[in-house]
Amino acid sequence: DAGVTQSPTHLIKTRGQHVTLRCSPISGHKSVSWYQQVLGQGPQFIFQYYEKEERGRGNFPDRFSARQFPNYSSELNVNALLLGDSALYLCASRRQGGSNEQFFGPGTRLTVL
Amino acid sequence: GDSVTQMEGPVTLSEEAFLTINCTYTATGYPSLFWYVQYPGEGLQLLLKATKADDKGSNKGFEATYRKETTSFHLEKGSVQVSDSAVYFCALDPDFNKFYFGSGTKLNVKP
Repeated sequence: DAGVTQSPTHLIKTRGQHVTLRCSPISGHKSVSWYQQVLGQGPQFIFQYYEKEERGRGNFPDRFSARQFPNYSSELNVNALLLGDSALYLCASRRQGGSNEQFFGPGTRLTVL
Repeated sequence: GDSVTQMEGPVTLSEEAFLTINCTYTATGYPSLFWYVQYPGEGLQLLLKATKADDKGSNKGFEATYRKETTSFHLEKGSVQVSDSAVYFCALDPDFNKFYFGSGTKLNVKP
């Protein structure tokens, strides 16, 4: 079975622009979470979605938004990019119920210039 | 609030040395605890987990025991290999909604 996939792999944007990152969960997984990992730090929770509804939100500004589609894939949107938004953005999926193990994708490396 | 504290790195060991990476946590309930590993240029991979007090997670020679009395989940391996060089993250899941990660500990193993 395919793991969690994310696109694009790398992205370079300039300050003030908008970016959309995409994630496809493991087949059968209905929960998707987004994390931001700044270089040299641990991942920080941004959002969790389950059955297209937001179930959790981390301490991030309103410039960050997300949504989940009927096929359980997800998008993370960031508006008005700042230099500090440069990071690896990780998507994780989980089969809700039973094990709470999360499976992570390879990430999207965003560089804001 | 919930949080995880890991020992700072980098940790540099010779091949076949014993490894300990300390992890302590703060949580109001009964979280599940995890160790994830991140190899250069890759995403996070689950290494092991424990869901309740006194559980021992193990995988690939790595072990960690959920100690509620000391709020700890230290990672150990009896004999490290060069291929174990990576960044290790301790994490807790208090409510099935989100993970809290530590800052990571980089392990360098020399041949």
